[in-house]
Amino acid sequence: AQSVTQPDIHITVSEGASLELRCNYSYGATPYLFWYVQSPGQGLQLLLKYFSGDTLVQGIKGFEAEFKRSQSSFNLRKPSVHWSDAAEYFCAVDNYGQNFVFGPGTRLSVLP
Amino acid sequence: EAQVTQNPRYLITVTGKKLTVTCSQNMNHEYMSWYRQDPGLGLRQIYYSMNVEVTDKGDVPEGYKVSRKEKRNFPLILESPSPNQTSLYFCASSPLTVTSGSGKTQYFGPGTRLLVL
Repeated sequence: AQSVTQPDIHITVSEGASLELRCNYSYGATPYLFWYVQSPGQGLQLLLKYFSGDTLVQGIKGFEAEFKRSQSSFNLRKPSVHWSDAAEYFCAVDNYGQNFVFGPGTRLSVLP
Repeated sequence: EAQVTQNPRYLITVTGKKLTVTCSQNMNHEYMSWYRQDPGLGLRQIYYSMNVEVTDKGDVPEGYKVSRKEKRNFPLILESPSPNQTSLYFCASSPLTVTSGSGKTQYFGPGTRLLVL
């Protein structure tokens, strides 16, 4: 079955440390890939997206993600985390304009 | 300002009492969608629409109805709400293709928190 997995339910990092959030998908072909962020009590904001081309994509707030076809992964990274990055992060796939599937989310806590 | 609006933002109702949550977008997007968000499950798609009069089921359509009579509006209807439909609901819209406008980026409404007693 088609699915999106985010293996880490909750991650805690210290401010200034690097961050990597994992995302794997199971689709026959490469779907369109997205990362969204949801701050507490807020709606969802797009961080970045991948459709084709360069497998390393840059997003807002200093985030980047790398698409690896061989691993069916689209991991999100940030070199230095800020306290304001504490939020919930969702990986999502667009099945070519039909249904849209989110992963279960990873909650990020940032220690001062 | 480009936006997706939802109403109401908060709703408390009782089992079996029909309700409608409205969703409207002002970006002329073809694609609209409804999601519910539950702890530990992320967002799950309820229904989506690729254009006027074209709707299709997402992953969790049971107990919900939608209609798309106009491009800008996509209401979510709960004919007979039950407590297991207590959730946070998001409406979203996007262009239909990667080459148009924001390239399939979904814009989300602020959410509607529903409690069914």
